[in-house]
Amino acid sequence: DVKVTQSSRYLVKRTGEKVFLECVQDMDHENMFWYRQDPGLGLRLIYFSYDVKMKEKGDIPEGYSVSREKKERFSLILESASTNQTSMYLCASSLRGAGYGYTFGSGTRLTVV
Amino acid sequence: KNEVEQSPQNLTAQEGEFITINCSYSVGISALHWLQQHPGGGIVSLFMLSSGKKKHGRLIATINIQEKHSSLHITASHPRDSAVYICAVSYGQNFVFGPGTRLSVLP
Repeated sequence: DVKVTQSSRYLVKRTGEKVFLECVQDMDHENMFWYRQDPGLGLRLIYFSYDVKMKEKGDIPEGYSVSREKKERFSLILESASTNQTSMYLCASSLRGAGYGYTFGSGTRLTVV
Repeated sequence: KNEVEQSPQNLTAQEGEFITINCSYSVGISALHWLQQHPGGGIVSLFMLSSGKKKHGRLIATINIQEKHSSLHITASHPRDSAVYICAVSYGQNFVFGPGTRLSVLP
């Protein structure tokens, strides 16, 4: 079974902490994505990557950065966590051409206190 | 930018009922996806469609490319079908999500 694995299911961090959310896929997918999901706002794209060391801003990149040093791993970084970053974070990957093989991870629910 | 709309926003049904969720989009696409998210859970891909109709168990998805419209049908609904159903469209490298339809199936 193909998989997108997010390292933590639930995470609680303090305001101002640097937070790393990790995502690993075993499908040799070129594309990887980070979304956040909030009630009433649906899924919003934070960052995406088409290849190793490549990154593109999505719709809401402020307060976040990403790292893709290896094809299978895409990390989302909250440089200084704030309470408005409390959310469900979802990682996804796909083959080149966004329509194919689109697979989501199970999500990380982050609470910033 | 592609606008994706879904209806209804919320749906409550009795077990056994036939359910339809609708999705419309504004710009030509390469594929349309139906996704399912259970409470507190991750998202599972149900279907990817570029034309016609697909069936998987009690789930049926159809798409009309000319009308830019898709429907997801659930036959003989069951409480375990209770979830949020999300329509998403892909075009080029873009992927746009609808707002989701929250379905509750009562026993």
